[in-house]
Amino acid sequence: AQSVTQLDSHVSVSEGTPVLLRCNYSSSYSPSLFWYVQHPNKGLQLLLKYTSAATLVKGINGFEAEFKKSETSFHLTKPSAHMSDAAEYFCVVSDLTGGYNKLIFGAGTRLAVHP
Amino acid sequence: EAQVTQNPRYLITVTGKKLTVTCSQNMNHEYMSWYRQDPGLGLRQIYYSMNVEVTDKGDVPEGYKVSRKEKRNFPLILESPSPNQTSLYFCASGEGRTVDTQYFGPGTRLTVL
Repeated sequence: AQSVTQLDSHVSVSEGTPVLLRCNYSSSYSPSLFWYVQHPNKGLQLLLKYTSAATLVKGINGFEAEFKKSETSFHLTKPSAHMSDAAEYFCVVSDLTGGYNKLIFGAGTRLAVHP
Repeated sequence: EAQVTQNPRYLITVTGKKLTVTCSQNMNHEYMSWYRQDPGLGLRQIYYSMNVEVTDKGDVPEGYKVSRKEKRNFPLILESPSPNQTSLYFCASGEGRTVDTQYFGPGTRLTVL
């Protein structure tokens, strides 16, 4: 069965410093992986997705993630944090065993950005 | 504008009082799904629907019902809500069987007293 583990429940950075949100996955086949962001009192928005093309995936708002099969990781990074990046981030793996693309969510990482 | 809408956004109710949370999408998507979000657990799937009149259980279906009579609507029904159903609920939709990207509604925060 597919699963995903977000290694940090909370991450705090200063504005202008790099962001690293860690995610490890478990999958019996080559997975599709996603990062979603949830701003306070808002729905989830797709940041980026990996679907077996380039291993370095660029998303919206300057975020990117690198798929590393040998490490079963899909960490999310951004070179310079902005106050508006404060949100909860979910790493997600797809599970096709049920005949459709079921999304398996990690527990989430709450990112705080300080001035 | 392409969107998924949910109503109500906030609801406080009492144990045992039947309620319905509506979900509607305007993207002509075949696939729709309901999730609940609880602290430290991420989102867990309650029910999903691959098309009109086709629904199936997700990971946490107990205490919930759904129906899909029209392509655009996918209401979530709690016939006898209990306090352990206090949660944040999200509806989502996507295109086709291999739904690559899902689009989420704004969420409904439900409190059952």
